[in-house]
Amino acid sequence: SQQGEEDPQALSIQEGENATMNCSYKTSINNLQWYRQNSGRGLVHLILIRSNEREKHSGRLRVTLDTSKKSSSLLITASRAADTASYFCATDNDMRFGAGTRLTVKP
Amino acid sequence: EAGVTQFPSHSVIEKGQTVTLRCDPISGHDNLYWYRRVMGKEIKFLLHFVKESKQDESGMPNNRFLAERTGGTYSTLKVQPAELEDSGVYFCASSQVGTSGASTDTQYFGPGTRLTVL
Repeated sequence: SQQGEEDPQALSIQEGENATMNCSYKTSINNLQWYRQNSGRGLVHLILIRSNEREKHSGRLRVTLDTSKKSSSLLITASRAADTASYFCATDNDMRFGAGTRLTVKP
Repeated sequence: EAGVTQFPSHSVIEKGQTVTLRCDPISGHDNLYWYRRVMGKEIKFLLHFVKESKQDESGMPNNRFLAERTGGTYSTLKVQPAELEDSGVYFCASSQVGTSGASTDTQYFGPGTRLTVL
């Protein structure tokens, strides 16, 4: 099974709203990464959070990491239509991706 | 339905040798992607095929890497000659364009090929 598993599988929101997606993993990690995949394109690396970090920000992105629960969340604030994509998480020791969360932001 | 498969699962070669990685996408998937992850770093996009055509090869690091997708089915990624910095895990993914007009197409990843160049 995959190391990184995201939920929900699909999320549909209005522009301007916040979007939160979660990721769970199974083994100990050094870091966890979030990626975005736009339609017809490859993966784009968004943000990396280390195991000794609890929260990290990058622009409108906020990532949290709870190593005790082996979970991470990605929050996109003030969403835009251009944020429509699939979002994946992966850990440093296992790059088998889950199905991702498909986010749709309606204008 | 069979998923994306990659061969070999591991390859250990010496610097200067040639290695060919193979990816068999899910049947019917026109899109095929290659990625590479160097130890401890993020995954990086290499290139994207649509059927047999290279749609985007902007991520290919140099001319020692050659990707092909004969007949729009399986794809190969050849590294010749291999260098130490080529070590990493090479992933392949495939997808098809959504039929419902959805704005995203889910990529299905293979298990990867772990390449070690000594």
